[in-house]
Amino acid sequence: GAVVSQHPSRVICKSGTSVKIECRSLDFQATTMFWYRQFPKQSLMLMATSNEGSKATYEQGVEKDKFLINHASLTLSTLTVTSAHPEDSSFYICSAPQIRDTQYFGPGTRLTVL
Amino acid sequence: GDSVTQMEGPVTLSEEAFLTINCTYTATGYPSLFWYVQYPGEGLQLLLKATKADDKGSNKGFEATYRKETTSFHLEKGSVQVSDSAVYFCALVGKTSYDKVIFGPGTSLSVIP
Repeated sequence: GAVVSQHPSRVICKSGTSVKIECRSLDFQATTMFWYRQFPKQSLMLMATSNEGSKATYEQGVEKDKFLINHASLTLSTLTVTSAHPEDSSFYICSAPQIRDTQYFGPGTRLTVL
Repeated sequence: GDSVTQMEGPVTLSEEAFLTINCTYTATGYPSLFWYVQYPGEGLQLLLKATKADDKGSNKGFEATYRKETTSFHLEKGSVQVSDSAVYFCALVGKTSYDKVIFGPGTSLSVIP
């Protein structure tokens, strides 16, 4: 069964609003989680590393004020897309390492900004 | 930096055909290697992995062997099914990259009856 869950699976919002996406590890603790973005027919692009108890680490070119990450507990990380615009529409996927080297991925969240 | 290259798709095969998707990597040291599969509209699922040279990962009829000498991790399946239609990503985790996954561009596979 799934070891990482995401909520919601789909969200449609108006331009200018903020959207929060949750990523949970099921039955295991994750001090680190990762957030990816995937454009249609493209590979996954790592956006940031979410660290429990400390600030997230963002990849080059990712706006930290735009994509707020909070690792609230050992099983929950949230990504908030602030003041969303149509160009933020994408498929967002989180992952967590359950065992060394191996990431388990959430099912993804499809964000559509109108 | 570390990187993964894989054959561009889309790949279209008839059911029961043999599948090969090439994957090569560049990394410092000896990374762990993975194949992930993404079915339409879904997230990624781990298909198989290998953590050291000459290891063979296998799952659901798919196989890949970690070849250090050619820095490759080609995915193979002897007889594909329609249900194997998906996008396949080759990926690595470097020994110094703190669990960051580096993905290849993905290869789309369509299997027709």
